[in-house]
Amino acid sequence: EADIYQTPRYLVIGTGKKITLECSQTMGHDKMYWYQQDPGMELHLIHYSYGVNSTEKGDLSSESTVSRIRTEHFPLTLESARPSHTSQYLCASAVTGMNTEAFFGQGTRLTVV
Amino acid sequence: QKEVEQDPGPLSVPEGAIVSLNCTYSNSAFQYFMWYRQYSRKGPELLMYTYSSGNKEDGRFTAQVDKSSKYISLFIRDSQPSDSATYLCAMSPSSGGSYIPTFGRGTSLIVHP
Repeated sequence: EADIYQTPRYLVIGTGKKITLECSQTMGHDKMYWYQQDPGMELHLIHYSYGVNSTEKGDLSSESTVSRIRTEHFPLTLESARPSHTSQYLCASAVTGMNTEAFFGQGTRLTVV
Repeated sequence: QKEVEQDPGPLSVPEGAIVSLNCTYSNSAFQYFMWYRQYSRKGPELLMYTYSSGNKEDGRFTAQVDKSSKYISLFIRDSQPSDSATYLCAMSPSSGGSYIPTFGRGTSLIVHP
């Protein structure tokens, strides 16, 4: 079982609120990713990191920001939540190698009302 | 055109059937091909991976990659109700430093007793 944790699992929040979705992994993986998943749709990459102090935007335009101050921690922040942000957010990590595998957390289901 | 195309299903089969799941892709740079399984309200977990073309077998699961046709398949033999899940294909140009998996939208599989 993968040692990658996301909190909270479920969140209902009002429009305009600032929220931070937490993601932590204990495997020492250098790479971490945030994906957004809507029902029946592709996982869309919104942010990724190749290591401490390295962050990049993914292919899906997002109003969120991320930080990577420690190897094990990759939080995602929405400064002002909107109903269009309602989705499932999946965090993943991977270690560089010949047969790289991305390990996923359980996800955070966000509802903005 | 999406980089990875996958029929969302649902695909409903009786227990014991052979299941065929498929993806097509457009990016010829993809070299590393993966299949993930996702149960409801869980994060995806890696089932199988294949590097470049060819077949790979693991128990009841067989992964095939045909790079000339840009087509990958996952076969499940003797399907079980516990195989009911969403199966996502994923691809990356590399399994090393620039590993960023691109996912299909997933195929929902239902195996009924």
